[in-house]
Amino acid sequence: DAGITQSPRHKVTETGTPVTLRCHQTENHRYMYWYRQDPGHGLRLIHYSYGVKDTDKGEVSDGYSVSRSKTEDFLLTLESATSSQTSVYFCATRDRGIYGYTFGSGTRLTVV
Amino acid sequence: GENVGLHLPTLSVQEGDNSIINCAYSNSASDYFIWYKQESGKGPQFIIDIRSNMDKRQGQRVTVLLNKTVKHLSLQIAATQPGDSAVYFCAENSRGYQKVTFGTGTKLQVIP
Repeated sequence: DAGITQSPRHKVTETGTPVTLRCHQTENHRYMYWYRQDPGHGLRLIHYSYGVKDTDKGEVSDGYSVSRSKTEDFLLTLESATSSQTSVYFCATRDRGIYGYTFGSGTRLTVV
Repeated sequence: GENVGLHLPTLSVQEGDNSIINCAYSNSASDYFIWYKQESGKGPQFIIDIRSNMDKRQGQRVTVLLNKTVKHLSLQIAATQPGDSAVYFCAENSRGYQKVTFGTGTKLQVIP
């Protein structure tokens, strides 16, 4: 997906370890989002940011934290990974005045 | 992600036929709707949108219909092609940009 890079694309980690996922955008979009996608659920919002150092919680924020020190980077941290956090994580951006999101290609995280 | 198609309703369509994918939304106050396409292993991609003051909008080979009376949205794809095979899901916006709810999706399989 042009303009949004997520890293890593795949990760396997052990229960209890911290994990950081990175989202980098070149779109200069103000708003950035972290979603998780699981079978049987629509995309669920974890955290979002409406500017540098301005972040807020989504509907499934427990166990996650975020940081945005630059417009282009939005980091998602699992403070102590659990098996329930095994999922595919998507970063999305949105420009001001636009409803539609631009999504990254996702990070598949497996917690064993 | 690769598992996004699991446990989803599936629509199988012959190549060249028209496809109709349906979505029931939940919030009568939703004022903006978007259809996304998600191919295996990729992030969702914006297809077409519609405001609540419209009942139909057309794009290239795609048409979205909105019936607010029964809270129903549909995506019509004309002359379905193998490249249309993907999961399609709708998203509804309420409270302007503040609240987005994603549907769980429908898997479209195109039979060559």
